[in-house]
Amino acid sequence: NAGVTQTPKFQVLKTGQSMTLQCAQDMNHNSMYWYRQDPGMGLRLIYYSASEGTTDKGEVPNGYNVSRLNKREFSLRLESAAPSQTSVYFCASRKRQEETQYFGPGTRLLVL
Amino acid sequence: SQQGEEDPQALSIQEGENATMNCSYKTSINNLQWYRQNSGRGLVHLILIRSNEREKHSGRLRVTLDTSKKSSSLLITASRAADTASYFCATDAPWSGGSNYKLTFGKGTLLTVNP
Repeated sequence: NAGVTQTPKFQVLKTGQSMTLQCAQDMNHNSMYWYRQDPGMGLRLIYYSASEGTTDKGEVPNGYNVSRLNKREFSLRLESAAPSQTSVYFCASRKRQEETQYFGPGTRLLVL
Repeated sequence: SQQGEEDPQALSIQEGENATMNCSYKTSINNLQWYRQNSGRGLVHLILIRSNEREKHSGRLRVTLDTSKKSSSLLITASRAADTASYFCATDAPWSGGSNYKLTFGKGTLLTVNP
C-alpha cells in the first residue's frame, strides 16, 4: 500500500514550457486535491476533485489545469510555466470529505 | 484567503518541555485538523477534532477547540528532538457555499526542540 505517490520529485522548467505533474493513490479514496506551498506559507488549494469525473477550482487555479483520469489518478498540468509557479506541489486524497487527508511527498518545481 | 492562523510563528524549547501552539479561524467549521511537516516532506495528519468536541487526546498530543472563540490549541507534552517540525492547523468547511468540503491551512508554527 503505497498511499499517495507523486512524480516527478523534482523538475526544472524554462519559462513557457509545459509539464504535467502526476499523482496516484491506492487507497480507493474518492476526493483528490492539488496544493502549492511557498516559503513561509501554508498550503493553498489549486484544484480539487470531489469524486471521479468532477473537478473544481480552488483558491489559486490560474495557470493550471487538471484531469481526474480515473479514481486513482489526478494530474496537474502547467501549460506555459511562469517563474511565479516555482513552488512545492502536493497532492492529497481522502476517502470522504470531512475526514483526514493523506499527502504525497511533493514535487519541487523550479521555473527559470 | 487563509482561514487558520497559527501562533506563534516559531517556537524553540528544550527537550522534555511542553509545546503549545494556537490556531484561530474566521468562519464556521465542520472539523479542525492538525498536521505535521518535517523539512522537505509531505504533511502527516496528527489529530482531528469535530466542531461538537471540546478536547481530544492522542498519545502526547492534546487538542482543544473553542468554537465560540473560533480557536484551537495543540499541546505536545514531554517534547523530543524528533518533534522538531512545522505544525499546521487546517479547518474543514464547505467550499463556496456548496456541499463540497475543503481544508484550508494556516501558515504553520515552526517548532524546534533542542536536545
